[in-house]
Amino acid sequence: EVQLVESGGGLVQPGRSLRLSCTASAFTFGDDAVSWARQAPGKGLEWVGFMRSKTHGGTTEYAASVKGRFTISRDDSKSIAYLQMNSLKVDDTAVYFCARGNVDTTTNIYYYGMDVWGQGTTVTVSS
Amino acid sequence: DIQMTQSPSSLSTSVGDRVTITCRASQSVSFYLNWYEQKPGKAPKLLIFAASNLQSGVPSRFSGSGSGTDFTLTISSLQPDDFATYYCQQSYRFPWTFGQGTKVEIK
Repeated sequence: EVQLVESGGGLVQPGRSLRLSCTASAFTFGDDAVSWARQAPGKGLEWVGFMRSKTHGGTTEYAASVKGRFTISRDDSKSIAYLQMNSLKVDDTAVYFCARGNVDTTTNIYYYGMDVWGQGTTVTVSS
Repeated sequence: DIQMTQSPSSLSTSVGDRVTITCRASQSVSFYLNWYEQKPGKAPKLLIFAASNLQSGVPSRFSGSGSGTDFTLTISSLQPDDFATYYCQQSYRFPWTFGQGTKVEIK
């Protein structure tokens, strides 16, 4: 079964760091982009960031709210993506999801959204 | 950034009803508009990609239409399993953005 599983969430104090992991199974992880999204308690979905596959440059994109604080990386040999979160704020409290980015192969530039999602991991930023 | 606005924000409806949710983008997103379903405590699930393409395994009562700035998600005959929150999302320009969601509730 094609699957993504997040881990690494927890309770952290404001200003501290946390690293989330997203482990893929049953597909060739290195061929695909990975995206992160989050959902604060009782709120809607917020896109966080994106990393292209190495085939498509391996470059990253971030939401303004996390740019400069969050970093996405990947280890294709282990089928894992990471979300390094630094200088955490109370407003970063959310369930964090990783998802597979579905590339439009007619352009190899655009993406058809996110077709496989993990179950989410909860991050609570509080003193 | 491209702003996505859904309407309505919520609706109360009955099993068997036809449901239409609209999504408007603040500028053209071509056809790079996707729809997701989310149930409480669960991850989002992709229903429709590229405005009108049904994701594998999604029932045919779901359909999508539109291009440019105006899009529609239609559920032809609402089933008990369809009571959920629905989100549109543009993947045309970074930062990707979601609509605020439409909660479909039982009347």
